Amino acid sequence: SAVISQKPSRDICQRGTSLTIQCQVDSQVTMMFWYRQQPGQSLTLIATANQGSEATYESGFVIDKFPISRPNLTFSTLTVSNMSPEDSSIYLCSGRGQHTEAFFGQGTRLTVV
Amino acid sequence: QKEVEQNSGPLSVPEGAIASLNCTYSDRVSQSFFWYRQYSGKSPELIMSIYSNGDKEDGRFTAQLNKASQYVSLLIRDSQPSDSATYLCAVDMNRDDKIIFGKGTRLHILP
Repeated sequence: SAVISQKPSRDICQRGTSLTIQCQVDSQVTMMFWYRQQPGQSLTLIATANQGSEATYESGFVIDKFPISRPNLTFSTLTVSNMSPEDSSIYLCSGRGQHTEAFFGQGTRLTVV
Repeated sequence: QKEVEQNSGPLSVPEGAIASLNCTYSDRVSQSFFWYRQYSGKSPELIMSIYSNGDKEDGRFTAQLNKASQYVSLLIRDSQPSDSATYLCAVDMNRDDKIIFGKGTRLHILP
């Protein structure tokens, strides 16, 4: 399986600021996704990162709040914009081939104060 | 109805016994099913994938799939304390290659 490098691994941010999380895969994948995992909860899909075009967002998530880029097959970024304490969570990057398993980056633990 | 449902637990199992984890899903056209293990503070890691009806065994782990009943299970034989974790059932809904996760079952193996 591919290896995903995600950074930063953690950050503490002031409310109202933005944080960009980077995700690099060591081999080409068909799909890349961003998930959020709030404390004690399961993974919630934020969006599908589409290469060279706008991401596809799930219900409850919007581009203005979570802009996503994927300039090539192996790299994607997620920005958490205008942060509030409610955005404190773990953010996970994921990659997969078509109909194969998903694998994950190490996650970014975000705390907004 | 939630798309992927699991009992949140905690499920407590004595060391050496069989742990049985269950999952149901809502979309009949789903084709790919996965079990992930997640330790506290870590990312999910894949344990098993299963694509066709029946059983699939890998070491101490057996995944079972029944598409007619829309049911997936994971059996862990000879449970070890290191198996204590949250187990996530995940389903490829066959829509846009998205994988949807259940809420996870917390498993405690009692020494």
